[in-house]
Amino acid sequence: DIQMTQSPSSVSASVGDRVTISCRASQDIRSWLAWYQQKPGKAPKLLKSASSSLPSGVPSRFSGSGSGTDFTLSISSLQPEDFATYFCQQVNTFPWTFGQGTKVEIK
Amino acid sequence: QVQLQESGPGLVMPSGTLSLTCTVSGGSIGSNSWWSWVRQSPGKGLEWIGDIYHTGSTKYNPSLKRRVNISVDKSKNQFSLRVTSVTAADTAVYYCARFRGDQILFDYYYYGMDVWGQGTTVTVSS
Repeated sequence: DIQMTQSPSSVSASVGDRVTISCRASQDIRSWLAWYQQKPGKAPKLLKSASSSLPSGVPSRFSGSGSGTDFTLSISSLQPEDFATYFCQQVNTFPWTFGQGTKVEIK
Repeated sequence: QVQLQESGPGLVMPSGTLSLTCTVSGGSIGSNSWWSWVRQSPGKGLEWIGDIYHTGSTKYNPSLKRRVNISVDKSKNQFSLRVTSVTAADTAVYYCARFRGDQILFDYYYYGMDVWGQGTTVTVSS
């Protein structure tokens, strides 16, 4: 199975800060990566996918980059509603696997 | 828009069978999407269980394959999960989700899970 490793496990930040979350795959997954946001007690929400057209309605402050084994999710200016846990998922090779999550907390 | 809702018992006896159903509303289960089950427990994070296409084609996580069965009922716009021989390690929040992708030539390319149910907590305990 492809192992997905996220760093850091948690980050403390203030509203307006730029936050960067890393996700590393144990094998080349080309560009087949998805990012999810999860708030306490809620289901994950697709934030970025391997398709540029999916999903719609995500604020432009969220951006994803990377290919191969190293990927990054950036939040350009953290908003109060962005405090949550973020997961990456590789969708290149069966079985699909998730990172362990990065919790973005209020400083 | 498409919505998903999980249903099923919240408590299962050890060595018993966990059975959950996901009802799709606002769209057809026969659309060009796979339908997934994912679970989340504090010890193991998010774990993909398996997918099903409306034709009945399935993919299972090898770590669970011998205990898992996913089926689809197109007439009811539902798909279901069964996990046999459960133990405390199967205690988790279970989610159903729509797994979007595209068929390109002879391959299906997956993008991500864009619609999720609210999740249902299943506890394995006597």
